[in-house]
Amino acid sequence: AQSVTQPDIHITVSEGASLELRCNYSYGATPYLFWYVQSPGQGLQLLLKYFSGDTLVQGIKGFEAEFKRSQSSFNLRKPSVHWSDAAEYFCAVGNAGGTSYGKLTFGQGTILTVHP
Amino acid sequence: NAGVTQTPKFQVLKTGQSMTLQCAQDMNHEYMSWYRQDPGMGLRLIHYSVGAGITDQGEVPNGYNVSRSTTEDFPLRLLSAAPSQTSVYFCASSYRSGFGYTFGSGTRLTVV
Repeated sequence: AQSVTQPDIHITVSEGASLELRCNYSYGATPYLFWYVQSPGQGLQLLLKYFSGDTLVQGIKGFEAEFKRSQSSFNLRKPSVHWSDAAEYFCAVGNAGGTSYGKLTFGQGTILTVHP
Repeated sequence: NAGVTQTPKFQVLKTGQSMTLQCAQDMNHEYMSWYRQDPGMGLRLIHYSVGAGITDQGEVPNGYNVSRSTTEDFPLRLLSAAPSQTSVYFCASSYRSGFGYTFGSGTRLTVV
């Protein structure tokens, strides 16, 4: 069964510092991978996605993520964090095929706090 | 385009009552899903559908029913509400697996 682990429940960074949020997945084949962001009281917004090709993907708001098959990881990065990036971030894995295609599984989320 | 529309936004139920959470999308997406979000537990999949007439269970399906009679609508039914079903519920839709899901704004449900 597919699963996602986000090892960090809460991360605090200073504004202007770099950011890396970790995501590890478990899936039997090449997965579809996603990062979403959720501001307080809001729905989820798609930041970026990977399903084939270049393992470094660019997303909105200056975020990028790198797919590393050997490490089963899909870490999210941003070179310089802004106060408006404070939110909860979710990594998710989707089925490319098989009997459960269409199923998207989320990690537990990482809360990002940004200090001025 | 309205995207994914969920109604109601807030609801309070008494234990044992039934209700239906509505979800509609106008993007002609084949895939639709229901999630619940609880603090510290991320989003857990309740049920999902890959097309009209096709549904399957997710991680936490007990106490919930779904049906998909049209491409646009994917209602979630609570048969007999329990306090453990107090949560925020999100509906989402997607064109295909690799496209990512578009989420609605959520329904905050409290069962007393």
